[in-house]
Amino acid sequence: AQTVTQSQPEMSVQEAETVTLSCTYDTSESNYYLFWYKQPPSRQMILVIRQEAYKQQNATENRFSVNFQKAAKSFSLKISDSQLGDTAMYFCAFLGVGVNQAGTALIFGKGTTLSVSS
Amino acid sequence: EPEVTQTPSHQVTQMGQEVILRCVPISNHLYFYWYRQILGQKVEFLVSFYNNEISEKSEIFDDQFSVERPDGSNFTLKIRSTKLEDSAMYFCASSLKTSGLYNEQFFGPGTRLTVL
Repeated sequence: AQTVTQSQPEMSVQEAETVTLSCTYDTSESNYYLFWYKQPPSRQMILVIRQEAYKQQNATENRFSVNFQKAAKSFSLKISDSQLGDTAMYFCAFLGVGVNQAGTALIFGKGTTLSVSS
Repeated sequence: EPEVTQTPSHQVTQMGQEVILRCVPISNHLYFYWYRQILGQKVEFLVSFYNNEISEKSEIFDDQFSVERPDGSNFTLKIRSTKLEDSAMYFCASSLKTSGLYNEQFFGPGTRLTVL
């Protein structure tokens, strides 16, 4: 069974600084996707960034980038130039694509609460 | 931009009562999901649905739960006899495909269920 571990329950950062959120996962599958979701106080789940396991290049979306280390099964999220609006819970998630191309359930980590202060 | 919608935003019910949570997935999506998040805990998968039948379900999704697509637009989650521990945020999601090059699951805003 796949597991996703986020070892940092809470993080804080000053506005304009950079912060890195950690995530590790365990799987025996060779083909899968990894995601970071943001959940602000409204509790809406918002996709931040996606990484395909077969791609070696790290995904980037504006101020958000990942460090994907497939051999180490590590998938960290870096937020550059942090803004007050980045304050939220961040979830790392795994989606396996099995032999039959049937991967349906997102497996989430426990989340990291990020607080950005001015 | 198309989005997943859910109603109601907040549902309060008495223990033992039946509740139906409603979702309208994005119109051309084929796969539908329910997840739940107990307050302060991680998001957990409940069930996925494709072609009018359950595709996958977790061990949480026991006999008191059921899902249905009663018409071409709605996707519902029914909890037959609610328990206190069913209190949670319930998220509906939909995707074009379950796998492949682009398989983002788009989440709705959630329904907060409170069981008293």
